[in-house]
Amino acid sequence: GDSVTQMEGPVTLSEEAFLTINCTYTATGYPSLFWYVQYPGEGLQLLLKATKADDKGSNKGFEATYRKETTSFHLEKGSVQVSDSAVYFCALSSGGGADGLTFGKGTHLIIQP
Amino acid sequence: GAGVSQSPSNKVTEKGKDVELRCDPISGHTALYWYRQSLGQGLEFLIYFQGNSAPDKSGLPSDRFSAERTGGSVSTLTIQRTQQEDSAVYLCASSLGGQGYYQPQHFGDGTRLSIL
Repeated sequence: GDSVTQMEGPVTLSEEAFLTINCTYTATGYPSLFWYVQYPGEGLQLLLKATKADDKGSNKGFEATYRKETTSFHLEKGSVQVSDSAVYFCALSSGGGADGLTFGKGTHLIIQP
Repeated sequence: GAGVSQSPSNKVTEKGKDVELRCDPISGHTALYWYRQSLGQGLEFLIYFQGNSAPDKSGLPSDRFSAERTGGSVSTLTIQRTQQEDSAVYLCASSLGGQGYYQPQHFGDGTRLSIL
C-alpha cells in the first residue's frame, strides 16, 4: 500500500537558518503530493502541493519539488522564522480521493530566536 | 463561517458509552473525509464520502465505528461502546471532490475525544 516517510524530529534550528525536511513516498500510479502544517493550538492547514513530476509547489517562502525518480518531496525554506515553529506533515493522494490522504508521522520544527 | 466546522471541540465520556461527532463541510464541497490523529498511530484515514455515498468503509477501525452523511452536507461519525483506545483527535476534511488528485482537502479543528 501507499506510505510516506519523513524525519520525525524534533528539528531545532536558529532563526534565519536554512531548512530541509525530507519526505519520501511509496505509491501506485502517479500520486499528488502535499505538505500540511499544524501550528500550536491550530488545525491542519495546506501549505503547498504538487500534482505531477517536476512540479514545484511554493507558499510562504517554502518550496518542494515533486521528484518521481527519487520518489521524494522534500520541503525547503531559505531562512526560517520563529513563527515557522509547527508540525509539518508530508502527504499523498493516489486514489482520486477514494482512499483519502496518506500522511507521514509529522516533523516537529522548533525555531529558536 | 467559511471553514470546516466540527462539534463538539472536546468530548469526555466513560468507557462503554456511545458518542456522536459532527462535521459541517465547506459549502459546495462534495467530498468529505474523516481521519483520526493519535500519538501512537499518527494521522489515519477512516472514511470518505462523495455526496452521501461512502464507497469504501474498510478504513474504519472496528464495527463499533459508523459514519453517515445526509443531504450531501453534514456528516456524523458514531462510536458505539467506546474503549480507551478510541481516545484521539478526530478530524474532518472536505474538498471540491471529483478528481481528488487535484483537490486539496481543508481540515476542521477536530474533536478531541477522551475515554475515561
